[in-house]
Order: sequence, then C-alpha cells, then structure tokens
Amino acid sequence: QITLKESGPTLVKPTQTLTLTCTFSGFSLSTSGVGVGWIRQPPGKALEWLALIYWDDDKSYSPSLKSRLTVTKDASENQVVLTMTNMDPVDTATYYCARRLRADAFDIWGQGTMVTVSS
Amino acid sequence: QSALTQPASVSGSPGQSITISCTGTSSDVGGYNYVSWYQQHPDKAPKLMIYDVINRPSGVSNRFSGSKSGNTASLTISGLQAEDEADYYCASYTSGSTLIFGGGTKLTVL
Repeated sequence: QITLKESGPTLVKPTQTLTLTCTFSGFSLSTSGVGVGWIRQPPGKALEWLALIYWDDDKSYSPSLKSRLTVTKDASENQVVLTMTNMDPVDTATYYCARRLRADAFDIWGQGTMVTVSS
Repeated sequence: QSALTQPASVSGSPGQSITISCTGTSSDVGGYNYVSWYQQHPDKAPKLMIYDVINRPSGVSNRFSGSKSGNTASLTISGLQAEDEADYYCASYTSGSTLIFGGGTKLTVL
C-alpha cells in the first residue's frame, strides 16, 4: 500500500520560513522514474502546483514561486522536504504532497496539511 | 504562466452526460499528450481520474473519459451519478518542464 503524509507547522508568522515534510511508504524514491511533488490549495480556491523532485535529484519549481522554494529528498528515510521562504498571508493553504505517476499526473496524494500565515 | 481555463460550473441530471473543458496553449495542453484530471470532494484530497489525456487509472469507472483537440482537453462523465458531484481540475505538463492546473469546475448533479 502506497501512502504519503505531510507534516509541519499549522501556523507561521509573516516573513518566516515554512518547512514541510512528506513521509511516504510503499515505493522508493531511488527507483528510476519516480518523483514526489508538492501542490497547495488556498481555502475555497484552485490547486496550484509548487515543485517536484525526481529519483535522480532533478528538481522543478513553479516559475512564479521558484525564488522562494527549495525541495530536497532523503531517499533512505523516505522523506521529501519543501521549504518556502518569506511566508505571507496569501500563502495560507492546504499543502499536499503526491507521488508522480507520469509527467502530468499524481496518482497517490497525502491527506494534506493546513498552514495558516498570520501574526 | 496562467492557470488553464475551465468553466466555473457545470450541471446535469442523473443518467445524463456532461463535458468539462480545459483550455490552454500550444505550450501546455496543445503541445503534449500529458493532460490529467482530478476529482475532489469537499475536504478531501484530489483523486486522479484521467492521465495522459485518455488513460484511466485502475479502479476509476469507465464512465469517465478524456479527450483533446488542439489546445483544449475535455473530461466527459457519462451516466451521471450523485456521487460524481465534486470539483474537477485539469492539469497539463508545460514546455518549461513544469505542471499547471486549471481553475477548477464545480459539478452539480441536479
């Protein structure tokens, strides 16, 4: 069974850095073709793709957020970490991690974690 | 990059068919056969329904089908059921090796 679960703070202050961890099981991020992505969804709004890290450590970022995002992996620990700097109230959202199936698709998603940005 | 364009809402009666469109550009939808569709019920994580324009993951009903013409992809749901009421999102691979989502469509089953 493949599962992913996001963890991290539920509340961060403006200008702070957000660090989220995706812990997964049932697949290996050392296997060719495998990737883990991050997607967020502000309350009542649409999904927004943030970043993706591949088995070979290649990375891809949303052009609009690239300067603020860093994604890393610890394949041995089955974890992927997303860092987002200079948080703002508009970054309030549910953050999901998901396994990449194909170039366009994430087939297994975590339950999501709600992050509120407020002073 | 701007979000892919989807209608804000569509509706249909049980048993009917509906189609949701997803319009992009030649740099995303029109340039690759890498379009996916997701179903999201309230307070739930998205569920993959279609990938690579036309493929259904194992376990997804064959009432769901995908297609593409030019810069517009479409999701068709036939034999509408009450449980199909949800938000639907399209997504596409882009020329920048990134992914972009649509703005979402709320499906109401009357």
